[in-house]
Amino acid sequence: GDSVTQMEGPVTLSEEAFLTINCTYTATGYPSLFWYVQYPGEGLQLLLKATKADDKGSNKGFEATYRKETTSFHLEKGSVQVSDSAVYFCALSDMNRDDKIIFGKGTRLHILP
Amino acid sequence: NAGVTQTPKFQVLKTGQSMTLQCAQDMNHEYMSWYRQDPGMGLRLIHYSVGAGITDQGEVPNGYNVSRSTTEDFPLRLLSAAPSQTSVYFCASRESSYNSPLHFGNGTRLTVT
Repeated sequence: GDSVTQMEGPVTLSEEAFLTINCTYTATGYPSLFWYVQYPGEGLQLLLKATKADDKGSNKGFEATYRKETTSFHLEKGSVQVSDSAVYFCALSDMNRDDKIIFGKGTRLHILP
Repeated sequence: NAGVTQTPKFQVLKTGQSMTLQCAQDMNHEYMSWYRQDPGMGLRLIHYSVGAGITDQGEVPNGYNVSRSTTEDFPLRLLSAAPSQTSVYFCASRESSYNSPLHFGNGTRLTVT
């Protein structure tokens, strides 16, 4: 079945450091890929998405590229801020199974000032 | 722009009690879903609906009922609360297309004693 695997946290970085959160997936069809972010006490909100191979999603300085050959969708940011501290979820939606969105377990990110 | 509204924000139940978690969206989304979030487990799908009058089970449906009488509302019923149902519950909706992102409510934190 479909699945999403993302690196376990917590990840602790200093402000202005480079961030990578790894995400790999398995899917029977041709999925769309998403990154969601959850700030404390809130629900998840969409950070970025990509719907086909080699697409790059970007938002708020974050980027992720849909790599079909490596089945990956790693999240990156060149210079993190304290306000980026949150939990990040990778997710997929498979066109052959569009009734169920599959989430990774989440990666907690903590940025030190 | 209300988006997805969940009530209540917090709830404490005794074992065996029943209750309904409310979810409403004002975006005319056909797809709605309920997730529970537990530490180390990520998000797990409880039930979902692809339109009014249509519901289906997700990954962890036992102990929960849903109905979808209108496009806007998707209540989640706990039939006889158990301590294992202590969790944070999120309602989410999206447009019909599998490419569309989920829109989440801010969650209901439920404690069962």
